[in-house]
Amino acid sequence: DSGVTQTPKHLITATGQRVTLRCSPRSGDLSVYWYQQSLDQGLQFLIQYYNGEERAKGNILERFSAQQFPDLHSELNLSSLELGDSALYFCASSLRGQETQYFGPGTRLLVL
Amino acid sequence: GNSVTQMEGPVTLSEEAFLTINCTYTATGYPSLFWYVQYPGEGLQLLLKATKADDKGSNKGFEATYRKETTSFHLEKGSVQVSDSAVYFCALSRQAGTALIFGKGTTLSVSS
Repeated sequence: DSGVTQTPKHLITATGQRVTLRCSPRSGDLSVYWYQQSLDQGLQFLIQYYNGEERAKGNILERFSAQQFPDLHSELNLSSLELGDSALYFCASSLRGQETQYFGPGTRLLVL
Repeated sequence: GNSVTQMEGPVTLSEEAFLTINCTYTATGYPSLFWYVQYPGEGLQLLLKATKADDKGSNKGFEATYRKETTSFHLEKGSVQVSDSAVYFCALSRQAGTALIFGKGTTLSVSS
C-alpha cells in the first residue's frame, strides 16, 4: 500500500459525459501528478500540482482539467468524453524536493 | 528531448531462469532512473532506483546499475519466480519535483 488513494476504482460512462476522478496523496506529500495509461500511448504525464498550484502540464487535452484543494487532495475532471479517453488514470504524489513518486491504484475509465 | 526505450515484450521465462530487461535513456544533464512494477490489476510500485552514475539499485533480488557511458539501466534478476510475473517500467526523472518519463513497459510472464 503506497498511501495514495484513488476513487472510484472503476468508472463506466457514455460518450459526451463528464466525470471526476479523485486522488488523496500520501500524508505530507505536497506534489500530486496525474498520468494516463493507455494501450497505444503507454504512460503519459498529464498535469502536476504543488501545494494547490498548477506546476506543470504534459499531454493534457483541453477537455481535461484538474485542481488541488487546501487539504491537498486532487480531482481530475474529464469532459465531453470520447471513446479514446478510455484508459487507466493514475495519481502519484511525492515529498517536496524528492524524485520518487508513489502511485495510487488507479481509476479504470471505460467510455462506451 | 528526454526519452526512455525498453525492450519489447513479452518476455516468457521458466521459474529460476535469469532475467534481463534492457532499458536505455536519452536525457540532458544527470537524471535519476527508476524501475516500477505493475502487478495484474494493481497500480505502479517502485521497485528500485539510482540517482547517479555507477549507482546500483536493488530490491527483492532485482538489480540495476546506472551506466552513464552507455546511457543504460538494465534490470536483472538471477532467479525469477512465478510471482514476478508483471509489467516492468523503466523511467527517468530530470530533477526532483518534475514528472516521470516512462518507457512503454515490458511484460514478464514466468511459468512453473
